[in-house]
Amino acid sequence: EPEVTQTPSHQVTQMGQEVILRCVPISNHLYFYWYRQILGQKVEFLVSFYNNEISEKSEIFDDQFSVERPDGSNFTLKIRSTKLEDSAMYFCASSERQLGLGYTFGSGTRLTVV
Amino acid sequence: GDSVTQMEGPVTLSEEAFLTINCTYTATGYPSLFWYVQYPGEGLQLLLKATKADDKGSNKGFEATYRKETTSFHLEKGSVQVSDSAVYFCALRGRGGSQGNLIFGKGTKLSVKP
Repeated sequence: EPEVTQTPSHQVTQMGQEVILRCVPISNHLYFYWYRQILGQKVEFLVSFYNNEISEKSEIFDDQFSVERPDGSNFTLKIRSTKLEDSAMYFCASSERQLGLGYTFGSGTRLTVV
Repeated sequence: GDSVTQMEGPVTLSEEAFLTINCTYTATGYPSLFWYVQYPGEGLQLLLKATKADDKGSNKGFEATYRKETTSFHLEKGSVQVSDSAVYFCALRGRGGSQGNLIFGKGTKLSVKP
């Protein structure tokens, strides 16, 4: 069964450093998403991406965040200058259609900012 | 705005016990409703869904019925197994505005003992 692959599974970084979280969506999917879950809290929407541009973003997705599809397969989330409160599990997801019901999530990257 | 509230965990049951995980929602209009499951070390997987009132989603022995009058989508299983141990997330997707984005509950951790 096709999978969404995220790397790394766990990343530890120092406060103020830049991190890039990587995702390989399912190859024929057109819509890509990042969500995050701070420990013990809800899974929260960050951003959606379609046709090489952001289609929607939440209030969480401020100027320190950016997304990119640098080639035909990867979808990355960059956090420019990490803060302690960025520590969370970050999930990538992709779907074939925006209004389709078929979201496929990756297994997540646990980011720990120290 | 739209929101999902699900019962706090953890929930610990013996094998073959009956499971209910409560989920209620607040949304304008008629959202689509979902249950996702996260097994240890894995990503979020769609367990079941319902797109309109009175729809019943079912999969792997789990069921949930879309109840508009009580704005609920409770997850049930008649006889749980140890392999059902996971975190369960209730989610909705609205029909206006952010149509592609999911709004999640906090998740309920289920542990099933042999």
